[in-house]
Formats: sequence, structure tokens, C-alpha cells
Amino acid sequence: GESVGLHLPTLSVQEGDNSIINCAYSNSASDYFIWYKQESGKGPQFIIDIRSNMDKRQGQRVTVLLNKTVKHLSLQIAATQPGDSAVYFCAENKGGSQGNLIFGKGTKLSVKP
Amino acid sequence: NAGVTQTPKFQVLKTGQSMTLQCAQDMNHEYMSWYRQDPGMGLRLIHYSVGAGITDQGEVPNGYNVSRSTTEDFPLRLLSAAPSQTSVYFCASSELQGKSPLHFGNGTRLTVT
Repeated sequence: GESVGLHLPTLSVQEGDNSIINCAYSNSASDYFIWYKQESGKGPQFIIDIRSNMDKRQGQRVTVLLNKTVKHLSLQIAATQPGDSAVYFCAENKGGSQGNLIFGKGTKLSVKP
Repeated sequence: NAGVTQTPKFQVLKTGQSMTLQCAQDMNHEYMSWYRQDPGMGLRLIHYSVGAGITDQGEVPNGYNVSRSTTEDFPLRLLSAAPSQTSVYFCASSELQGKSPLHFGNGTRLTVT
């Protein structure tokens, strides 16, 4: 069985609705942020990234918003599908441009058909 | 391209045994890293390397050794396994440290009894 999702914040949405997953980051010197999706039994998969000189970036059905004032990052998924069910992680390059990617604890997204 | 390949996929060790987790990438990435993933803890950085011959410690390096003799390979060694090292281990690589997406392998699930 998959134990990654235990004790994680969970977001439950209806298929077709929009999902918003939030993340607070800690270091004002971080200048690169990234979202990953992890399905059961697999490695994290890159979704979208954003640099600190941007506030918003859009991909296919996903949008990342960066609010540097309150050190907040969000991932919006439009028209959520059952295949979007997974654990989502945000990461920051803590310490700035030579920093390693440090990950948050994750949010489990559950999509109800 | 195979991307990042990790072996083995599963391993059971007894306390005190040693083993090496293998990681190879075929993307010519300079940066490679090892993370461990435990329930509710997200991904924690063990060791990383910015190029062949260069390695450094991450957040949780104790009990692990690494080496980087080639650009492609970045093995992780457990010299004397402990139950606290029971975890899922992910290897990842990227073009640049902290500025580009990490590409993850599918992980090694390690159990130490």
C-alpha cells in the first residue's frame, strides 16, 4: 500500500470543479518555486515552475500564483479530473539561486466522480 | 531517453547490513541529489552533487555516504543500516542547482528490520 498520503492535509473536490492547493514558503531569498504531482508508487512528476520575477504562470489546465509579500504559492487546477488525484508538493530553492530544492509536506487531492 | 533510473525497486535489510542504492541518469545533468520520503514528512534532502567529483550534505546526511565519479551515476551507500532508515528513497537530477526542474526516479522502497 501507499503510505505517502498518511497524515497529509486533504482537499476533496468534485470532478469538473477547479482546485486550489496552497503552500506557504519560508525564505524571502528563495527565487525559484516548483510544483510536483506524485501518484501512488511513483516518483514526483514536474507540473509547473515559477521564478520570483513573476506573479503568475500558466500551463495546460494549471496556473501557479506567487505572492512574495506574504510568501505564498498556490496551484490552481482547472476542470479537475479523476486522474488529478494525487499528492501535490511545492518546493522552493531555499537560500536563493544556489540553493537546493526543499519540499513542503504535501497536500492530497481527492477527486470525486 | 530513460531519464533517471533507480535500482533496486524494493529491498529488505537487517540492522547492521550495508547496501548501495544505484542511480543513473542519461540526460547529461550536472546536478544530482538523493531524497528520502517518510509519511507526513515530505521529501528530505540527504546528499547532493553539483558535478562529477563534488558532493555535499543535505538536511539529513547521517548514516549515508555518496560519491560521484561520473556525470551519469550517483550511488547512495548505507554502511550500517538502522530501522530509522526505513523509507522510500528518490534520486533526482537537473540541469542546474535550484534553478531548473528536478527529474525523479521511481524510487527504492527500503525496509530495515
